[in-house]
Amino acid sequence: SAVISQKPSRDICQRGTSLTIQCQVDSQVTMMFWYRQQPGQSLTLIATANQGSEATYESGFVIDKFPISRPNLTFSTLTVSNMSPEDSSIYLCSALTSGGSYEQYFGPGTRLTVT
Amino acid sequence: DAKTTQPPSMDCAEGRAANLPCNHSTISGNEYVYWYRQIHSQGPQYIIHGLKNNETNEMASLIITEDRKSSTLILPHATLRDTAVYYCIVRVGGANNLFFGTGTRLTVIP
Repeated sequence: SAVISQKPSRDICQRGTSLTIQCQVDSQVTMMFWYRQQPGQSLTLIATANQGSEATYESGFVIDKFPISRPNLTFSTLTVSNMSPEDSSIYLCSALTSGGSYEQYFGPGTRLTVT
Repeated sequence: DAKTTQPPSMDCAEGRAANLPCNHSTISGNEYVYWYRQIHSQGPQYIIHGLKNNETNEMASLIITEDRKSSTLILPHATLRDTAVYYCIVRVGGANNLFFGTGTRLTVIP
């Protein structure tokens, strides 16, 4: 299994500013991902964080708005840039463990409110 | 990834078995069935997964029909802490990520 922590757990930010969310996994994992969960909605995949290269973004998400870093096998950051109230969501980090079980684990999420 | 269909909500009496159905009629031979749940204000929690055989762990049992077009997650003795949204997802083993549908909101009633 993998234990995932995120910082901050929540934040209230002003329109036009940026916030960087950190994700730390307690063991080496093969893949890391970032999801968004808007109020009352299911999870939507933003991107796959690739170690040492640019993240792979899903349709509707772009690097300029959601830059992602993954400098090593256990750490990743997601930045929400130039925020607007529509960016108010829970942002979740996720990791896929190595081995044959293909179990994917999730962090507790970062609750972002943009005013 | 194949699409899944789940009822939007279900109730279950505390102490009884909760049986959560999922239809995945377009599942392909190399796709696994995964179940996750999300308790309010927390990240999704892995429950169980299987390919074609029934599976059981300390949390739940997974029953997959012989044609693999549907499955049932069984929580044998539901407690109030099992109140959550349950997601059924099909995915090729080792594929990059999970795509979440709308899930079933299970409410365990005292």
